[in-house]
Order: sequence, then C-alpha cells, then structure tokens
Amino acid sequence: AQKITQTQPGMFVQEKEAVTLDCTYDTSDPSYGLFWYKQPSSGEMIFLIYQGSYDQQNATEGRYSLNFQKARKSANLVISASQLGDSAMYFCAMREIKIQGAQKLVFGQGTRLTINP
Amino acid sequence: DAGITQSPRHKVTETGTPVTLRCHQTENHRYMYWYRQDPGHGLRLIHYSYGVKDTDKGEVSDGYSVSRSKTEDFLLTLESATSSQTSVYFCAISVTPSGQGGKLFFGSGTQLSVL
Repeated sequence: AQKITQTQPGMFVQEKEAVTLDCTYDTSDPSYGLFWYKQPSSGEMIFLIYQGSYDQQNATEGRYSLNFQKARKSANLVISASQLGDSAMYFCAMREIKIQGAQKLVFGQGTRLTINP
Repeated sequence: DAGITQSPRHKVTETGTPVTLRCHQTENHRYMYWYRQDPGHGLRLIHYSYGVKDTDKGEVSDGYSVSRSKTEDFLLTLESATSSQTSVYFCAISVTPSGQGGKLFFGSGTQLSVL
C-alpha cells in the first residue's frame, strides 16, 4: 500500500527565509505522481506543485520547488523567500490510479507552517 | 475553482439521523471524489466516481454511501450519523488528460458536526 509521511507537525520560520517541508513516500508502483497542496486558515485546498516519477528535472512553480530524490523516496517542498501569506497547512500527496483512470490521492498528515515577521 | 460547489457549507446534526452532502460541478468532469479531513490524518478518501452510476469505495467508506445519477452531482450520504463522522468533507474532481498528473481540484468543504 502507498504511504506518505510528513514528519514535521509544525515549523516556524522568519519572513524572507527559505523553508523546506519534508515528505517521504513508499510505493511499489514504478509510475507515480507526487503533489503538494496548501491549506490556509480559510480552509480551501490549493494545488502548488506536481512531480512525476519519470520526470528528469525537479519541478518548479514560482517560489515553490520540489526537491525530488527518487532513491531516497523523498519529495521535499522548498519555498524560497517566505512571506507572511505562506503561513498555512501544507500537505504532500501521492497519486494512485484507480478504476477507469480515477486518480486517488493518498495524503500525509500535514505540516503547519508559521511565518514570523 | 473548476466549478465545484458543495452544500451545505456547515451542518450540525444529531447522532442517528441521516445526512446527505451534495457536490455539484458545472464543467462535465468524469471523475469525482469525496474526502474527509481530520486532525492528524490529513485527507482520506471515502468514495469516488468514474462516471454516472459508477462508484467505488475508498479507504474509509464504512458508514457512508454515494450516488451519482447525473454527471454534475455526486451525493454523499451518512445513513445514520455518528460522532466519529464529525469532520470536514471535501469534494474533488480530477481533469484528464492533464499536464500535471491529473491533479485534484477541491470544493470549499463542508463542516459537519454530529452531536
């Protein structure tokens, strides 16, 4: 069975610093996808970044990058130059293909990031 | 927001009563999902649908049923609500083909409290 582990329940970072949120995964499927979502205090789930298991380069989306280390089964999210608006819960997730192409995502427990001014 | 609307946004009910949550989408997406979010567990899949009248169970389906009689609506029913079903419920859709691995788009969530 697929499993996602986020070992940092909470993190506190000074504004403008870079921050790394850890995510490790376990799967026997050679084809998989990894996602990061942000959940601010308002509650909505916001997609941040995606990495496919066969992608040769680490994914980047603006200030977000994914440090993908396949051999170590880790997919850490890096936020450069953190801002107060980055304070939120962050979830790592892995895709599992289900019946007829449905996409099941397995989520980690989340990391609550707090940016201090 | 992929045109997803969840209703109601908040609901308080009593143990033993039936509850139905509705997810409505306006963009004719084939795949729809129901997740629940609880502290310490992240989001967990309850049920999903891969077409009209085509549904399957997720990892936490006990006590829940679903129905999809038309493309735009995916209903989640708690036949007899229990306090352990107090949670935030998210509906989601996935778009295929997608350049981003079939990412999920989520609704705004329904806060359900079972007293």
